[in-house]
Amino acid sequence: AQTVTQSQPEMSVQEAETVTLSCTYDTSENNYYLFWYKQPPSRQMILVIRQEAYKQQNATENRFSVNFQKAAKSFSLKISDSQLGDTAMYFCAFMKLTDTGNQFYFGTGTSLTVIP
Amino acid sequence: NAGVTQTPKFRVLKTGQSMTLLCAQDMNHEYMYWYRQDPGMGLRLIHYSVGEGTTAKGEVPDGYNVSRLKKQNFLLGLESAAPSQTSVYFCASSSDRELYSNQPQHFGDGTRLSIL
Repeated sequence: AQTVTQSQPEMSVQEAETVTLSCTYDTSENNYYLFWYKQPPSRQMILVIRQEAYKQQNATENRFSVNFQKAAKSFSLKISDSQLGDTAMYFCAFMKLTDTGNQFYFGTGTSLTVIP
Repeated sequence: NAGVTQTPKFRVLKTGQSMTLLCAQDMNHEYMYWYRQDPGMGLRLIHYSVGEGTTAKGEVPDGYNVSRLKKQNFLLGLESAAPSQTSVYFCASSSDRELYSNQPQHFGDGTRLSIL
């Protein structure tokens, strides 16, 4: 079974500073995908960034970047120049492809507060 | 293009009552999912479907039933509601052809269900 662990239930960061959210996962799969989702108070699930396991290069999306360590099964999210709009719950997710469909597994989330 | 639509958005039930949550997607996606979100637990998969007429159990299926009679609809049923089923329920859909898109899994806006 796949598990996704987010060990930081809550975090805070000063506006314009940088924060890193951690995520580890456990799997025996070799081909999989990793995601970070953002859930603001509106409850919408918004994709922040994705990483294909077969790619060694870390994904980046504007102020968001990941540190993907495949051997260590670690997938942390770095938010640079934090903005008030970044305040949200962040979920790390793992997806594996199977013959019976794509299956997603989510971590328990990290609540991030950006302090003005 | 409405994406994923969940109805209702809010509902209060008494213990023992039954109800059905409806999820509809207009993107011709093969895969559909029902999750529940509880504080500190993240999103947990209840049931999922890989195509019309097929369903499978997820991580927490007990107390729920599902049906996918039409490709665009995925129904989640509670036959005899219990207070432990108080949660926010999310429906999602995905497709192999969107695996590399900006939104590999599309989410509905959630249904807040309270069981008294």
